[in-house]
Amino acid sequence: GAVVSQHPSWVICKSGTSVKIECRSLDFQATTMFWYRQFPKQSLMLMATSNEGSKATYEQGVEKDKFLINHASLTLSTLTVTSAHPEDSSFYICSARVGVDTQYFGPGTRLTVL
Amino acid sequence: AQSVSQHNHHVILSEAASLELGCNYSYGGTVNLFWYVQYPGQHLQLLLKYFSGDPLVKGIKGFEAEFIKSKFSFNLRKPSVQWSDTAEYFCAVNLGGGATNKLIFGTGTLLAVQP
Repeated sequence: GAVVSQHPSWVICKSGTSVKIECRSLDFQATTMFWYRQFPKQSLMLMATSNEGSKATYEQGVEKDKFLINHASLTLSTLTVTSAHPEDSSFYICSARVGVDTQYFGPGTRLTVL
Repeated sequence: AQSVSQHNHHVILSEAASLELGCNYSYGGTVNLFWYVQYPGQHLQLLLKYFSGDPLVKGIKGFEAEFIKSKFSFNLRKPSVQWSDTAEYFCAVNLGGGATNKLIFGTGTLLAVQP
């Protein structure tokens, strides 16, 4: 089946620094990838839709200048959390769309901001 | 706003018991429906999906779900659970026909199966 990887799996950073998370589709190309955020004991909330070669589409309430998304190739999308603060600590999950309506999910990245 | 509700937040069953997890959504148009499973320490995996046709959908590992349009429901069932079914289950809705095909997730149901 389709495999999506994320790197790193866990990152700890100081408040005010920026962190980049990578999402890769390993054995297929994905023109569309999605970024989700999951708080403890809560569901996945869609943050943005990442389209290869164009600007990402952000969901209401998500700051596009804080969560920078780049989808420069058909196998890689990156999420950069700029000037991270403790409230940004969360589990970030990406997915890649295959076909019309199916998404394959990455294992997630746990971000802890001190 | 569109939403997905999962009524059972935490379910505990003994092995061989039957399972039914509820899922309701609020949207009057065409929808595509999904159930995802997340085993401990692993990523989300697709269990089954419904796009159209037979409202009773069979998925992997003996799971099935029934789409009842009049009730806006897509409940997940398994006649006999195993210890290995211990996981978190998420219902998700894709508002059909959308260009982005974004998913709206329910809050999840944590299933613990006791041996």
